[in-house]
Amino acid sequence: DAKTTQPPSMDCAEGRAANLPCNHSTISGNEYVYWYRQIHSQGPQYIIHGLKNNETNEMASLIITEDRKSSTLILPHATLRDTAVYYCIVRLSSGTYKYIFGTGTRLKVLA
Amino acid sequence: DTAVSQTPKYLVTQMGNDKSIKCEQNLGHDTMYWYKQDSKKFLKIMFSYNNKELIINETVPNRFSPKSPDKAHLNLHINSLELGDSAVYFCASSHISGQKFFGPGTRLTVL
Repeated sequence: DAKTTQPPSMDCAEGRAANLPCNHSTISGNEYVYWYRQIHSQGPQYIIHGLKNNETNEMASLIITEDRKSSTLILPHATLRDTAVYYCIVRLSSGTYKYIFGTGTRLKVLA
Repeated sequence: DTAVSQTPKYLVTQMGNDKSIKCEQNLGHDTMYWYKQDSKKFLKIMFSYNNKELIINETVPNRFSPKSPDKAHLNLHINSLELGDSAVYFCASSHISGQKFFGPGTRLTVL
């Protein structure tokens, strides 16, 4: 079972920020939060990951709450090409470092 | 210079046949994976190899047999194909604890 809960779908206007929430209330202290997206039927694409601190890269920002029970992925200026299914994943902390994909959020960016 | 490549992209076959899907990565990663994405779009891990050793083997029928001839290759052989095997199969690679890079997928249709 996935350790994360996400809304099934969201819409966002082109050029606006897309804020995608994720709940991971059972996360352990050394488990990372990863975000991937899947555009149409392509292979999933890595976006960003974090442990405790907020993170930013050229694609997105990741805000993790202080208690680490939830996080938000922010796409600062969404474009039509950002339309995809976004997966929030908690990566197990040791051994095989396996992670389990949930059902994700289908983000539709509207012109 | 594709990072993770899979062949074939499409595979249509009859029930009962045996087929193979090949995967290659040129990223120098030590860990490779096979995922299955069914018609409901759930992405489930099937196998993982680290340095040619099997480290993850989920509850997959033994008709599925992964083979890793070297660190850059992880092939998936499927015996006695069944209708329920129809899905998109994704290969991925990573360093053991790092982000995953996914291939473009192989759409398998069993008639």
